Amino acid sequence: NAGVTQTPKFQVLKTGQSMTLQCAQDMNHEYMSWYRQDPGMGLRLIHYSVGAGITDQGEVPNGYNVSRSTTEDFPLRLLSAAPSQTSVYFCASSRQGGNYGYTFGSGTRLTVV
Amino acid sequence: SQQGEEDPQALSIQEGENATMNCSYKTSINNLQWYRQNSGRGLVHLILIRSNEREKHSGRLRVTLDTSKKSSSLLITASRAADTASYFCATEGDSGYSTLTFGKGTMLLVSP
Repeated sequence: NAGVTQTPKFQVLKTGQSMTLQCAQDMNHEYMSWYRQDPGMGLRLIHYSVGAGITDQGEVPNGYNVSRSTTEDFPLRLLSAAPSQTSVYFCASSRQGGNYGYTFGSGTRLTVV
Repeated sequence: SQQGEEDPQALSIQEGENATMNCSYKTSINNLQWYRQNSGRGLVHLILIRSNEREKHSGRLRVTLDTSKKSSSLLITASRAADTASYFCATEGDSGYSTLTFGKGTMLLVSP
């Protein structure tokens, strides 16, 4: 199994540009989440989804958009990139119902100049 | 806001020694999980302890949970150089939806 696949692995954007970070999982997990990791800050939740068609905001949702049209895919859209969005982004998935560990992707390192 | 706070922020030990990391959290939880992150890589799930459990083992890992003190500890016995990584605790709330809140992590360095 591939697990959680994130693309691209690296990206450089100019301020104001938009882009979509892709996340796909092949484990039929209901729960999917996006986190950003900044030095000294741990991981902070951006958006999450408990199933196809259902999304909700996390701790730091501003400047990001998500949709969940299928169980497998959970793309994260940056609407108008800002230098403050320079970070490493991780997608994660989990089985439904709680009390299950999360499977993480390998991350996307984004730099906004 | 961050839920868990790990202590210490950094830990340096020799191979063969035990490593203990602590985590404190603020709100009621469904479970607490520990993850490992090697430099530049994704997080790997190590162990999960439910709120009604006090201790759990997995290989060289031992986790304890004290819900009255809102704290947990992760013990790695007989550390190896390959254990060098950052370790994060994460809590899953008891509100019904499965999201994790992470601490800032402990960086462990195991020297040969």
